[in-house]
Amino acid sequence: AQSVAQPEDQVNVAEGNPLTVKCTYSVSGNPYLFWYVQYPNRGLQFLLKYITGDNLVKGSYGFEAEFNKSQTSFHLKKPSALVSDSALYFCAVSHTWGKLQFGAGTQVVVTP
Amino acid sequence: EAGVAQSPRYKIIEKRQSVAFWCNPISGHATLYWYQQILGQGPKLLIQFQNNGVVDDSQLPKDRFSAERLKGVDSTLKIQPAKLEDSAVYLCASSLERDGNYGYTFGSGTRLTVV
Repeated sequence: AQSVAQPEDQVNVAEGNPLTVKCTYSVSGNPYLFWYVQYPNRGLQFLLKYITGDNLVKGSYGFEAEFNKSQTSFHLKKPSALVSDSALYFCAVSHTWGKLQFGAGTQVVVTP
Repeated sequence: EAGVAQSPRYKIIEKRQSVAFWCNPISGHATLYWYQQILGQGPKLLIQFQNNGVVDDSQLPKDRFSAERLKGVDSTLKIQPAKLEDSAVYLCASSLERDGNYGYTFGSGTRLTVV
């Protein structure tokens, strides 16, 4: 069975400060890991994915994530947060047969 | 490229009524998914199609939910009869290959309110 945990319901950060959203996973075999963002009344927008290769993955809108196999983590990071980054963020894991398992989501609030 | 199209965007029905949602995936995408997202939760897979065949429907409440993918392209998800707890956003997604290596694209979703 595969699972994803996002330990923080909400992350608050001031604009210009670094942003980190945490994610840990459990899956047998090699994981495919994803981050999605959801704005109010919108669908899920893809940010980045890790399939294989370099542990540091760069994605859209200045976001990046680091795959850590020993800690089974895939934390999302942004060096300098913007107010427009305020949204709901989901980590997801997929095995080779394609089913995406989502975490419960982390609400990011960036204050001016 | 055009995205995943879903309709309607919003639907309000009374409990015990029936409702249907439609999804048109990205052209050429063999795999199609329906997810249910209840407020405050992450999306949960309801059903996965590979072309017009069902790969995984283990979490689909088959006594009331049904889905089909005609000719391996468009898909419809139906609820009959609806319950209050079916209030959620129903998301459709598609991917080029089954393993997701090329990523998944989501539609904007249909927000269902059952009253």
